[in-house]
Amino acid sequence: GAGVSQSPSNKVTEKGKDVELRCDPISGHTALYWYRQSLGQGLEFLIYFQGNSAPDKSGLPSDRFSAERTGGSVSTLTIQRTQQEDSAVYLCASSPGYGSDTQYFGPGTRLTVL
Amino acid sequence: SQQGEEDPQALSIQEGENATMNCSYKTSINNLQWYRQNSGRGLVHLILIRSNEREKHSGRLRVTLDTSKKSSSLLITASRAADTASYFCATDDGDYKLSFGAGTTVTVRA
Repeated sequence: GAGVSQSPSNKVTEKGKDVELRCDPISGHTALYWYRQSLGQGLEFLIYFQGNSAPDKSGLPSDRFSAERTGGSVSTLTIQRTQQEDSAVYLCASSPGYGSDTQYFGPGTRLTVL
Repeated sequence: SQQGEEDPQALSIQEGENATMNCSYKTSINNLQWYRQNSGRGLVHLILIRSNEREKHSGRLRVTLDTSKKSSSLLITASRAADTASYFCATDDGDYKLSFGAGTTVTVRA
């Protein structure tokens, strides 16, 4: 079946612009995660959605970052007034449910802020 | 925050040799997972080992877990060029957020 998809695969933007990154999780997966990976680094947790529960936003680095998940499926990560330090690969993952489950990752969006 | 730390940072081996990488972590965990990443994009789940397990096998992969030392190892036997990738350990301490290390970059030379 289809895996996690993300769009766009690459995004180049100018400092100060807003960007939206999209994630389509695996159908039926109730949990959705956003991570950020800077060059040569591990993954940094950003935000977690589980079903209709309030999201865990504890990893968002600043109030310029926000995310929503509509209808328990597609999620959008928005970065306002982008800065050069926002340049990274943004990875989305989904898993079947709450708890210690394997996470299935999308191919990521490479964001470059000039 | 990062919990897992992989060692070595980079590893270069000849095709057919075994590759071993280690992961250390700081706090108690429910499970530890290993992921592979090709070309800096999506991660692929390789294997999950629970805190009450000591060793697990999957194909050419062997994972060990020593909770007393808070460490894990991943062994890839009979390596192939296609194994060239970055390998990450990720710990789950029960709060559904995986904590990833910085990874080990493995290069398999033909």
